[in-house]
Amino acid sequence: DTGVSQNPRHKITKRGQNVTFRCDPISEHNRLYWYRQTLGQGPEFLTYFQNEAQLEKSRLLSDRFSAERPKGSFSTLEIQRTEQGDSAMYLCASSLAQRGYNEQFFGPGTRLTVL
Amino acid sequence: EDQVTQSPEALRLQEGESSSLNCSYTVSGLRGLFWYRQDPGKGPEFLFTLYSAGEEKEKERLKATLTKKESFLHITAPKPEDSATYLCAVGKETSGSRLTFGEGTQLTVNP
Repeated sequence: DTGVSQNPRHKITKRGQNVTFRCDPISEHNRLYWYRQTLGQGPEFLTYFQNEAQLEKSRLLSDRFSAERPKGSFSTLEIQRTEQGDSAMYLCASSLAQRGYNEQFFGPGTRLTVL
Repeated sequence: EDQVTQSPEALRLQEGESSSLNCSYTVSGLRGLFWYRQDPGKGPEFLFTLYSAGEEKEKERLKATLTKKESFLHITAPKPEDSATYLCAVGKETSGSRLTFGEGTQLTVNP
């Protein structure tokens, strides 16, 4: 299967700890996106990369959040000094820019619980 | 301000009872309207993209349509396995690659 994969699938942490999530996009896709989804809501955009360049960041992405995509392949999303309000599903998606439109394909998500 | 509103929030149908889900949007420079299906605890699954008013797309029991102000997802003779949350999202010309999602419609189809 060559879909988007995310690890870990679940993460439980204590408030104040740092966490890092990984996303592996569909292999030929050059765009990679991070979204956050809380219960009963639609996904909210956080940031996206085209190849290794981070092109856009949402105001939701506070300075405790950082994302990287070294070499334009997998991406990591790190949250420092986690807070209870960070508890959510973190979704990664990828797309192929040459298609011209944003048909984004999502991974299974990482469920974060901050105690 | 850009808005994407889905209705109803929740919908219960009997198997075989056809219905429609609505997605209303107020965005300037619509670049595409997207429908996704999301099962509990999983990521959204891509269904359709609509680019211009009047466009229609079909997949099995689902048919999506688009006007200048809203999109409908028609479900014909639904089955219990169609139970899921259906999400609508828009892409804008001036917002790069981000998608703006509605809150979704939770569909339950009873046997």
